[in-house]
Amino acid sequence: EAQVTQNPRYLITVTGKKLTVTCSQNMNHEYMSWYRQDPGLGLRQIYYSMNVEVTDKGDVPEGYKVSRKEKRNFPLILESPSPNQTSLYFCASSFGGFSNQPQHFGDGTRLSIL
Amino acid sequence: AQRVTQPEKLLSVFKGAPVELKCNYSYSGSPELFWYVQYSRQRLQLLLRHISRESIKGFTADLNKGETSFHLKKPFAQEEDSAMYYCAPQDNTGNQFYFGTGTSLTVIP
Repeated sequence: EAQVTQNPRYLITVTGKKLTVTCSQNMNHEYMSWYRQDPGLGLRQIYYSMNVEVTDKGDVPEGYKVSRKEKRNFPLILESPSPNQTSLYFCASSFGGFSNQPQHFGDGTRLSIL
Repeated sequence: AQRVTQPEKLLSVFKGAPVELKCNYSYSGSPELFWYVQYSRQRLQLLLRHISRESIKGFTADLNKGETSFHLKKPFAQEEDSAMYYCAPQDNTGNQFYFGTGTSLTVIP
């Protein structure tokens, strides 16, 4: 089944404790992306990647890191999480290396930073 | 600058009534136009894409280039249409993906 898989689905942690949210897709998509979803603000893009080893900042990259060493994986790293990063996070992928194709989303990861 | 505007955060309609969810964008040229839907506790999924000109679950969206709008419409709302709807026009000149702030639609039985 074609899908985008995120782990974990839920995480409660404390300020400053490094964490990684994994994202994997099995559709051989070039474009991958991370979003955070906050009430009243919709979805905002954090980082995106147009292909392996090519990443760039979205609208809200502060406090986050990403890497794209393999085509299928695009982990989101919070080196020193803070409470303002408490949010619902979505990973997505799409065909081609640009943003003009439909996005396929994962189930989301709900992060709570205490 | 706000690239995508969905003016209604909340919208309630009665079952069987027409529904229109508004979306305006500020790109020039011919952006790729999408609507996504998120049902309660589910992932976002593509509802429709303008270029395919399909009608999905009874929804259609008309592009008005003069007004730079891409409103989503359905003639007769159903209870199962209650969800969060995101407009996502994509600027063909860039690589970022933009979403509107979303409209939460509630269909009242």
